[in-house]
Amino acid sequence: DQQVKQNSPSLSVQEGRISILNCDYTNSMFDYFLWYKKYPAEGPTFLISISSIKDKNEDGRFTVFLNKSAKHLSLHIVPSQPGDSAVYFCAAGPPKAAGNKLTFGGGTRVLVKP
Amino acid sequence: KAGVTQTPRYLIKTRGQQVTLSCSPISGHRSVSWYQQTPGQGLQFLFEYFSETQRNKGNFPGRFSGRQFSNSRSEMNVSTLELGDSALYLCASSLGGNSYEQYFGPGTRLTVT
Repeated sequence: DQQVKQNSPSLSVQEGRISILNCDYTNSMFDYFLWYKKYPAEGPTFLISISSIKDKNEDGRFTVFLNKSAKHLSLHIVPSQPGDSAVYFCAAGPPKAAGNKLTFGGGTRVLVKP
Repeated sequence: KAGVTQTPRYLIKTRGQQVTLSCSPISGHRSVSWYQQTPGQGLQFLFEYFSETQRNKGNFPGRFSGRQFSNSRSEMNVSTLELGDSALYLCASSLGGNSYEQYFGPGTRLTVT
């Protein structure tokens, strides 16, 4: 049972345009959400997070939106740069009292074309 | 501040053997989590240690075990290796407490032949 899903396995976008990555979840107990970027042969790099009590969090070119009623979150990257080409994972975590146990989506491969 | 380090980076073992992987968290981080990444199953949570105690466990067989030392360094052990254990094993550290973010190391690529 996949509790976190990224339905788009890949995304191609032109440099300078917006990249929008989507993620859906089923478990309403998830309390916070994170986005990671991963290059081949490297560990995931933390990008941005959002608590379930918020609906938006912004950090530079990265903005995460959370729609709790729809159990959906998205990551916007504006403007997209060639160095953003990587696999992006969304992850969800339980309430903090339950410790750290992230459930990951399957990832979306982003290609930013110059 | 140094990031999460994992040793070794690459490992080749034979079916039936056992293996121990090591993780040094970011200084000051008390929580260490382990994940397995495979092409078929994606990133899956193995277990989490906090203050030398296992706080969470994923759905993996008992052949997978771990521990954490007083300096927060962690090891994971896989006994009686199977071909399906070939994967990238990732360690992530976090402050614990109310911090959400987990920071990953580069991983250990384990190949079982």
